[in-house]
Amino acid sequence: TAGITQAPTSQILAAGRSMTLRCTQDMRHNAMYWYRQDLGLGLRLIHYSNTAGTTGKGEVPDGYSVSRANTDDFPLTLASAVPSQTSVYFCASSDSGPDTQYFGPGTRLTVL
Amino acid sequence: GQNIDQPTEMTATEGAIVQINCTYQTSGFNGLFWYQQHAGEAPTFLSYNVLDGLEEKGRFSSFLSRSKGYSYLLLKELQMKDSASYLCAVMDSNYQLIWGAGTKLIIKP
Repeated sequence: TAGITQAPTSQILAAGRSMTLRCTQDMRHNAMYWYRQDLGLGLRLIHYSNTAGTTGKGEVPDGYSVSRANTDDFPLTLASAVPSQTSVYFCASSDSGPDTQYFGPGTRLTVL
Repeated sequence: GQNIDQPTEMTATEGAIVQINCTYQTSGFNGLFWYQQHAGEAPTFLSYNVLDGLEEKGRFSSFLSRSKGYSYLLLKELQMKDSASYLCAVMDSNYQLIWGAGTKLIIKP
């Protein structure tokens, strides 16, 4: 099985432009998450969804939005990118909130 | 505030044993996870502890003391492929994972 896929693998984006990072899982997991990983810092939660149709804010939600129209997809949108959003973005999923999280391969985003 | 502390970097020799420590202060506790992350790749799950004691899984073992807010990951018979970052994460009272910055383990022949 594919598990979790993310697209694109990497992207260079001009400041002020919008972008959607895609995440799809085929494990029928209820919960999905978006993290950013920056050098010297732990993974930080941006947004999460405990089940289709619901979303919640994590530790660093400003500048990002998400939607969860179905079980499989959890896109992350940057409405107007800024250089501080340069990071590696990981999508993850788990069967439910308390369970082990499994990660996608990541998207490396550079905002210039 | 919530805090997870682990060493930034450790070096060990192929075939040896290494212990990576993690201390935590979180609002609530619903388990502690260890993940492995090779450079440029995604984190992958290694172990989960929710009760005090040692969990052994092949060459890797993980220990938890909830009263001390302390865990360690023990890697035996080190191999070159074990060179990676090891991430400690605690699930808090809201079932959110709080992550440490990771320990980069360098294995020398």
